[in-house]
Amino acid sequence: GQQLNQSPQSMFIQEGEDVSMNCTSSSIFNTWLWYKQEPGEGPVLLIALYKAGELTSNGRLTAQFGITRKDSFLNISASIPSDVGIYFCAGREGGADGLTFGKGTHLIIQP
Amino acid sequence: ETGVTQTPRHLVMGMTNKKSLKCEQHLGHNAMYWYKQSAKKPLELMFVYNFKEQTENNSVPSRFSPECPNSSHLFLHLHTLQPEDSALYLCASSQGVGGSYEQYFGPGTRLTVT
Repeated sequence: GQQLNQSPQSMFIQEGEDVSMNCTSSSIFNTWLWYKQEPGEGPVLLIALYKAGELTSNGRLTAQFGITRKDSFLNISASIPSDVGIYFCAGREGGADGLTFGKGTHLIIQP
Repeated sequence: ETGVTQTPRHLVMGMTNKKSLKCEQHLGHNAMYWYKQSAKKPLELMFVYNFKEQTENNSVPSRFSPECPNSSHLFLHLHTLQPEDSALYLCASSQGVGGSYEQYFGPGTRLTVT
């Protein structure tokens, strides 16, 4: 099946730094979603993108739907300790009911 | 709290046992999903139901048997599982399937097969 390449796999940053992660696909997606998962919980939806080129913000989070429809990125500005977790990209191909997920980016914030 | 609940949160079962996972959504959605999350692997879609009808089975072994009696409840019946089936099983729901419908996840059931 389709796979998403998500990078980086993990990030060790200082509090206050900006974070950037991205996902790429070999095929076109109609929807890109970004989720965050904390230990013992299910993924929580952060941002949803539906149009190529769309740039959407949610507080300190900004995500973009790539023009080619084969990639998306997520930026977090001025990171804080509660940003720690695993961030997943997910995409939906045309005609698909379910989502395809990336392997996740594990964000660790050092004091 | 996303409006999707799952029980039990943890389950340990032997390979000869039969158990069931339950999911309930309180969002008024029409579509429900089962995903499997294994260590170091992406979430894998297992089943999709839309208005109680199964619309997708992602080549899941028959030892996993889903049931959707209504749009608010989804079950995953387990029998004769293997140790490699140990994983976090996540339920999700959405207003509809495909298009711009966003999926909301429950907290998952951590399954350990011994």
